[in-house]
Amino acid sequence: AQTVTQSQPEMSVQEAETVTLSCTYDTSESDYYLFWYKQPPSRQMILVIRQEAYKQQNATENRFSVNFQKAAKSFSLKISDSQLGDAAMYFCAYRPYSGGGADGLTFGKGTHLIIQP
Amino acid sequence: NAGVMQNPRHLVRRRGQEARLRCSPMKGHSHVYWYRQLPEEGLKFMVYLQKENIIDESGMPKERFSAEFPKEGPSILRIQQVVRGDSAAYFCASSQGPGELFFGEGSRLTVL
Repeated sequence: AQTVTQSQPEMSVQEAETVTLSCTYDTSESDYYLFWYKQPPSRQMILVIRQEAYKQQNATENRFSVNFQKAAKSFSLKISDSQLGDAAMYFCAYRPYSGGGADGLTFGKGTHLIIQP
Repeated sequence: NAGVMQNPRHLVRRRGQEARLRCSPMKGHSHVYWYRQLPEEGLKFMVYLQKENIIDESGMPKERFSAEFPKEGPSILRIQQVVRGDSAAYFCASSQGPGELFFGEGSRLTVL
């Protein structure tokens, strides 16, 4: 069974600074997706960034980037130039590439990101 | 370009009543997933459906919970004889297949 571990229940960062949220996962699959979702107080789940395991290049979306280490099964999220609107719960999630079927997302427990003004 | 639509957003039920939550997937999506989120926790998989079929219900309690995704109309998650422990946020997500899941805004169930 796949597991996703987020070891940081809470992180705090000054506005405009950079913060890294860590995530590790366990799987025997070779092809899969990894995601970071953001859940603000409104509780909507918003996709932040995705990474296909077969791609060596780390995904980047504006101020958000990942450090994907496939051998180490590590998938950290870096947020640059933190903004107050980045304050939210961040969930790391895993999905096998086989898609559909029982292969929905497996989530970590989340990291609560606090932005200090 | 409507996303995943869930209703109601908030539902209050007394113990023993039935709760019915609805989800309309994104246009063109045939895969629907239901997740439950307890306070201060991540989302836990409950059930995966395609049109008229339950593909995987391994995350759903065996009693009182049921789900359907009829040929016409939204997917429905039904909880019979609700108890206080059923209070949670219930999220629906849809996908076309591989790749990301798109989530609705969730339905928050409160059992008094």
